[in-house]
Amino acid sequence: GQQVMQIPQYQHVQEGEDFTTYCNSSTTLSNIQWYKQRPGGHPVFLIQLVKSGEVKKQKRLTFQFGEAKKNSSLHITATQTTDVGTYFCAGPGWDTGNQFYFGTGTSLTVIP
Amino acid sequence: DTAVSQTPKYLVTQMGNDKSIKCEQNLGHDTMYWYKQDSKKFLKIMFSYNNKELIINETVPNRFSPKSPDKAHLNLHINSLELGDSAVYFCASSLRWGQQNEKLFFGSGTQLSVL
Repeated sequence: GQQVMQIPQYQHVQEGEDFTTYCNSSTTLSNIQWYKQRPGGHPVFLIQLVKSGEVKKQKRLTFQFGEAKKNSSLHITATQTTDVGTYFCAGPGWDTGNQFYFGTGTSLTVIP
Repeated sequence: DTAVSQTPKYLVTQMGNDKSIKCEQNLGHDTMYWYKQDSKKFLKIMFSYNNKELIINETVPNRFSPKSPDKAHLNLHINSLELGDSAVYFCASSLRWGQQNEKLFFGSGTQLSVL
């Protein structure tokens, strides 16, 4: 299957600092999705990006899809303790319908 | 009214045993999946089912046998459990197969520990 890498793997920030996670695919993606998994919980869908260069915002979260549709980023402004969790990007396989391959994930810890 | 429900939540068993995990979704979705999450939180697709038919098996050992009696249920049976099978197993569903803008709804997971 295709490879979707995320960096960093772990990030510790002080509450109020910004946070960014980057997602890189080995192949061009038709779209990319982001999920959040709280500690002990299950992944929950956050957003989907479809267009090249697309930027979407959800309150303090900004999602971006690269021009070449091979990378994406999630930026959180002024982190809060409720942002703690693991953030995954996920992209569909071109030859496998809507079977989504998940990135390696970035675990965010927010220090109060 | 949990959308995707899995049982059991925890499963502790000895090496060599056989165990099953059940999953049900009440969303009316056509497509269901099994994902395995290892200790490093890497989420790996195992199986995809559409309308109770197996679509994709991602090179999973044949000790793992999924069964879908109807499109709302996807169970996972594991034979001859090995230490390396210890992980969290997530069931998920999406509305339709073949639509690349579908989002996944996950169950709460089953933590399997093989001793």
